[in-house]
Amino acid sequence: EAQLLQSGGGLVQPGGSLRLSCAASGFTFSIHPMSWVRQAPGKEPEWVSGISASGGSTYYADSVKGRFTISRDDSKKTLFLQMISLRAEDSAIYYCAKEEMGFDFWGQGTLVTVSS
Amino acid sequence: EIVLTQSPATLSLSPGERATLSCRASESVISYLAWYQQKPGQPPRLLIYDASNRATGIPARFSGSGSGTDFTLTISSLEPEDFAVYYCQQRSNWRVTFGGGTKVEMK
Repeated sequence: EAQLLQSGGGLVQPGGSLRLSCAASGFTFSIHPMSWVRQAPGKEPEWVSGISASGGSTYYADSVKGRFTISRDDSKKTLFLQMISLRAEDSAIYYCAKEEMGFDFWGQGTLVTVSS
Repeated sequence: EIVLTQSPATLSLSPGERATLSCRASESVISYLAWYQQKPGQPPRLLIYDASNRATGIPARFSGSGSGTDFTLTISSLEPEDFAVYYCQQRSNWRVTFGGGTKVEMK
């Protein structure tokens, strides 16, 4: 069975950095595009960033471009999101998601809180 | 950025009734539209992809239709576990956006 196990996240001050990880199992990680999607309390999901299956192409929402970096390590079946210059408005639950005809499988989510 | 507008914001229905949810795109997304169900404390769950295809394991009471800018998710007969929030989502050249959601609540 497919599984996406997330780690990282937590409380960080404005301007700080965090790195999120998403470890995959139960499917062929290397052939799937992957994304990060976040959701603030009571709001709709917001797509943050995506990466192609090969890792050769990366994509970002305008709200995080230049501050967030998505990457993947297929040998470790792990997806990453490096976040710098964090702002209060980046506070949300962050999900990693596997893409196959839509986001067909999601991690359990990890809470990121940006506050002083 | 393509904006997705969902209506109504809230739908109050009883078990066994039919639910019809709408999603309108600000420009054509052809058929690249998905629907998700989300319950409190859980990630979204994919129901429908490419406008009308049910994802693996999704019951037949869920159906999707539409193309271009107007899409519909229909739940033919509501089960107690179907009361949740539903989101539509489009992907156009990796510019992914979600709609604001429709909450289906028990009347």
